[in-house]
Amino acid sequence: EVQLLESGGGLLQPGGSLRLSCAASGFTFSSDAMSWVRQAPGKGLEWVSTISGGGGTTLYADSVKGRFIISRDNSKNMVYLQMNSLRAEDTAVYYCAKVGGYDPFDYWGQGTLVTVSS
Amino acid sequence: QSVLTQPPSVSGAPGQTVTISCTGSSSNIGAGYDVHWYQHLPGTAPKLLIYGNSNRPSGVPDRFSGSKSGTSASLAITGLQTEDEADYYCQSYDSSLSGSRIFGGGTKLTVL
Repeated sequence: EVQLLESGGGLLQPGGSLRLSCAASGFTFSSDAMSWVRQAPGKGLEWVSTISGGGGTTLYADSVKGRFIISRDNSKNMVYLQMNSLRAEDTAVYYCAKVGGYDPFDYWGQGTLVTVSS
Repeated sequence: QSVLTQPPSVSGAPGQTVTISCTGSSSNIGAGYDVHWYQHLPGTAPKLLIYGNSNRPSGVPDRFSGSKSGTSASLAITGLQTEDEADYYCQSYDSSLSGSRIFGGGTKLTVL
């Protein structure tokens, strides 16, 4: 059974930094790309970032490019999202998602809440 | 404003059929990129319903079906059940946006 468990969310001030973690199990982790998707309060889903199975390719939404860094440790089955220069508009529930064949997000975690407020 | 346009809400009575549209453009759906659909109940993990325009993952009832034509896609739900009440999102890829997976704005389904 595929399981994804996010952690690391919290409350912080604008300009701060935070690292989210996602622990994966139940599949061959290094074979699959992984992504982060977020949902701001009262808003829809927004793709944030994707990293390839080997970690050599990373992609970012324009809204976070230059501020967020996605990474993974295939020896630990972990994916991370380093978030820097945080803004109020980054407030959201952040979901870790596995990328499946045909490129959909086929499994999702329960999410972790990040609140950026002064 | 989302690149993929969905109706904000749809509704139907139990047993009825509803359809949710997802309208894109020549740089996403019209360019041939696959469309995927998700069901999301607040406070829970989103669930993949349809992938590759019309394929159902294992465990998704055949009451859910997807189609795509031109610059649009649709999700049909037949035999509505109360537990289908949720938010539904379409998702694709846009060649005009670097690396971008894109979502529709979401549609709230109310089962009357």
